[in-house]
Amino acid sequence: DVKVTQSSRYLVKRTGEKVFLECVQDMDHENMFWYRQDPGLGLRLIYFSYDVKMKEKGDIPEGYSVSREKKERFSLILESASTNQTSMYLCASSTTRTNEKLFFGSGTQLSVL
Amino acid sequence: AQSVTQPDIHITVSEGASLELRCNYSYGATPYLFWYVQSPGQGLQLLLKYFSGDTLVQGIKGFEAEFKRSQSSFNLRKPSVHWSDAAEYFCAVGLRGSQGNLIFGKGTKLSVKP
Repeated sequence: DVKVTQSSRYLVKRTGEKVFLECVQDMDHENMFWYRQDPGLGLRLIYFSYDVKMKEKGDIPEGYSVSREKKERFSLILESASTNQTSMYLCASSTTRTNEKLFFGSGTQLSVL
Repeated sequence: AQSVTQPDIHITVSEGASLELRCNYSYGATPYLFWYVQSPGQGLQLLLKYFSGDTLVQGIKGFEAEFKRSQSSFNLRKPSVHWSDAAEYFCAVGLRGSQGNLIFGKGTKLSVKP
C-alpha cells in the first residue's frame, strides 16, 4: 500500500519562526500536493508539484513556499509563521497510473502562538 | 468557475438507518468524481470514484454513489449506517489529466446516534 508520511503529527511554533513541514511518499509518485484544512472551509490547495524541482501555486500560496529536491519528498515552508496559519496541513501524492486518485498523509496540526 | 457544493454541513442519523450525502459540482466538462472520508485525527481515505461507464459505483465499507449528469450530482449513499461511519465526508472533482489536482467540497460531518 502507498504510504505518505508527514514528519510531525503536532507542531507548536511561535509567530515569526520559519517552519518546515515534511512529507515523504514511498510509491514513486510524480505528483505531490499540500493542502490546508480549516473547519467549514474544507481543503484548500496551497502548492503542488508534478516533478522534481517543479512547483505550481495552488489557491492559497501566500505566506508559503515549497521545495522538491527529490521525487519522494515535498516540503512546505512557512517563511515567517503567523497566527492565521494555525491549521491542519495535509500532504498528498498521486500518479497518472491511478487516474488522479490522491493518497493522503495523516496530517500535521500546526499551532502558531 | 469550477466548484463543488456539499449543501449539508452536519447530518445526524440513527444507527441502522439509510444515509444520503449530497454533492453538486460545476464544471465545464464531465469530471472525475470522488468521495473521501476522514475519521477524527486522520488523513483522507478514498471511498469510491467515478471516471466513466456505469453511473452507479460501489466503494469500500458498503458505500455507493450515483453520477447524474443532468443534475451535476454525485450523491453518496449507504443503506444501513454503522456507528463506525461517523466521520467527515468530502466530495471532490478533477479534470481528466489534472494528475490529482482536485477541487474539494467543504465537507459533511456525519454523526451516528445509537
